[in-house]
Amino acid sequence: KAGVTQTPRYLIKTRGQQVTLSCSPISGHRSVSWYQQTPGQGLQFLFEYFSETQRNKGNFPGRFSGRQFSNSRSEMNVSTLELGDSALYLCASSRDRPDTEAFFGQGTRLTVV
Amino acid sequence: GENVEQHPSTLSVQEGDSAVIKCTYSDSASNYFPWYKQELGKRPQLIIDIRSNVGEKKDQRIAVTLNKTAKHFSLHITETQPEDSAVYFCGVGDNLFFGTGTRLTVIP
Repeated sequence: KAGVTQTPRYLIKTRGQQVTLSCSPISGHRSVSWYQQTPGQGLQFLFEYFSETQRNKGNFPGRFSGRQFSNSRSEMNVSTLELGDSALYLCASSRDRPDTEAFFGQGTRLTVV
Repeated sequence: GENVEQHPSTLSVQEGDSAVIKCTYSDSASNYFPWYKQELGKRPQLIIDIRSNVGEKKDQRIAVTLNKTAKHFSLHITETQPEDSAVYFCGVGDNLFFGTGTRLTVIP
């Protein structure tokens, strides 16, 4: 079956702009989580969506938001981009939480200039 | 949220030696502890996980031990091979808070 798909793979944006990233989970998976990956900071949890509802949120500012659609596809939005937002953004899908394997997408590499 | 500390941040071992990576966590209610491996340029993939009702789990050359009282768990890789070289992340809990990762290098 198809894996987790993230689009686009690469993005270059200017400070102050906003950006939307997309994640299509594995068919049948209802939980989608988002992570920010930067060198030295590991994988930082942004938020998790399940059945169109945000269930959990990490310690990121309100500029980071997301949503999930009825087909479980999820989008993440970052407004008023800052240079420090440059990172690899990964989404992971699973059947449900807790304690089920999370399958990661290949990520979207965001560069803010 | 959960506070996860992972050590060491880098680890180099000779091929055939063992490697141990340790993680501590803060939320005593956490019940799920997976380990993910991320090879260069690739996505993280689950290699082993453990739930709080067991203290140890093995899968061939890989094992994980859990001490719920002390709130720490460890990944053990025996007979390391060059293909084990990667970044390893420990995860904790329902929301999968991750440690900062350990870059393991296996020297042939």
